[in-house]
Amino acid sequence: DIVMTQSPDSLAVSLGERATINCKSSQSVLSSSNSENYLGWYQQKPGQPPKLLIYWASTRESGVPDRFSGSGSGTDFTLTISSLQAEDVAVYYCQQYSRPPYTFGQGTKLEI
Amino acid sequence: QVLLVESGGAVVRPGGSLRLSCAASGFSFRTYGMHWVRQAPGKGLEWVAFIRYDGTNKYYADSVRGRFTISRDDSQNTLYLQMNSLRSEDTALYYCAKGRGYGDYVAAEYWGQGTLVTVSS
Repeated sequence: DIVMTQSPDSLAVSLGERATINCKSSQSVLSSSNSENYLGWYQQKPGQPPKLLIYWASTRESGVPDRFSGSGSGTDFTLTISSLQAEDVAVYYCQQYSRPPYTFGQGTKLEI
Repeated sequence: QVLLVESGGAVVRPGGSLRLSCAASGFSFRTYGMHWVRQAPGKGLEWVAFIRYDGTNKYYADSVRGRFTISRDDSQNTLYLQMNSLRSEDTALYYCAKGRGYGDYVAAEYWGQGTLVTVSS
């Protein structure tokens, strides 16, 4: 199974500052057939289901603010929030869907 | 708009069985793969199972393989999770989620609100 490891486990960032969350997979999630990275990022606010923010490692889901961006390839990925807003307080998860079981990282709690 | 409504959660004794349902609307259910994902109280997300849009491929987490079965009824726009031999560690909020695309390798695009399963004697 592919193990997903996020860092840090928690993060405190000031309003308007940049937040960076890392995700590392134990095996590459880059497809040789289409050159896509099978990696998604999710946001979960308290009491709510998760919300897909980013898929294919760097493609923003419709309606997601452009302050959210994803980068990386192969085994190392990053979610960046360029200018933190109060509504961004949440737990963020990465997930690989390259190879079942489609494992999640342990989550990163983002606070102000 | 896409709507996913899970049901069937309950309190069940260890060793018991339960069937969860997920009623889907607002999209062409038969053309999308579907996931089950769970979250134990105060814990992170754990992917549980996936079924391809046509039901031909099904995948499971190691922790549930052989005990849980994912299925779908396209005539009823409903996804199911049959859960047998339940253990205390299966206690969680169970979400269904629509795959982002019709293939096997898709992110979980839209999520329901979840249904709570508690395994306790």
